[in-house]
Amino acid sequence: DIVLTQSPGTLSLSAGERVTLSCRASQTVVDNYLAWYQQKPGQTPRLLIFDASKRATGIPDRFSGSGSGTDFTLTISRLEPEDFAVYYCQQYYVPPWTFGQGTKVEIK
Amino acid sequence: QVQLVQSGPEVKKSGSSVKVSCKASGGTFGNHAISWLRQAPGQGLEWMGTITPMFGISNYARKFQGGVTITADESRTTVYMEMISLRPEDTAVYYCAREGFHTPYFVSWGQGTLVAVSS
Repeated sequence: DIVLTQSPGTLSLSAGERVTLSCRASQTVVDNYLAWYQQKPGQTPRLLIFDASKRATGIPDRFSGSGSGTDFTLTISRLEPEDFAVYYCQQYYVPPWTFGQGTKVEIK
Repeated sequence: QVQLVQSGPEVKKSGSSVKVSCKASGGTFGNHAISWLRQAPGQGLEWMGTITPMFGISNYARKFQGGVTITADESRTTVYMEMISLRPEDTAVYYCAREGFHTPYFVSWGQGTLVAVSS
């Protein structure tokens, strides 16, 4: 199984700051088959990014994804109050589809 | 936009089974795969398996093969997930999620169903 390792585990930030979240795969994720999700407490996950860099419908352009191979990044250009949440990456290149353990972005 | 509505919370004893439903409304039902995932309390997401209702073919993560069965009823636009031989460590919120077209990322999600298993 492909193991996804996200870092850091927790980020303490203020609104307006730039955020960079990392997702590293244990083997190459071909064709950039990697997605990012946001999950707020008590809510369902929401798809943000697919194919490593394509924004899902309705996602603000402050969210962007990049990377290839084994190293992927989710960037939030300017944190809004509603962006404090847990973020997960997911690979869909090789079944079973696997998720990282999540990065929590919390208010400083 | 397809909406997914799941059945309500369940409380079960170890060794019993549970069947959770996921009803789709709006959009087309049969040609997009629907997956089941779970999230244990305070933990991350785990993919369990998937079905494409149009074909009725299911695929499972190795961990869940033999213990989970995913089925679909096109006439009811509903997908089911049945899990047998429940253990306390199966306590989790179970989600159904609709995949992208021929691509297994998860575009829309059910609201989740808490399954609590006691010993």
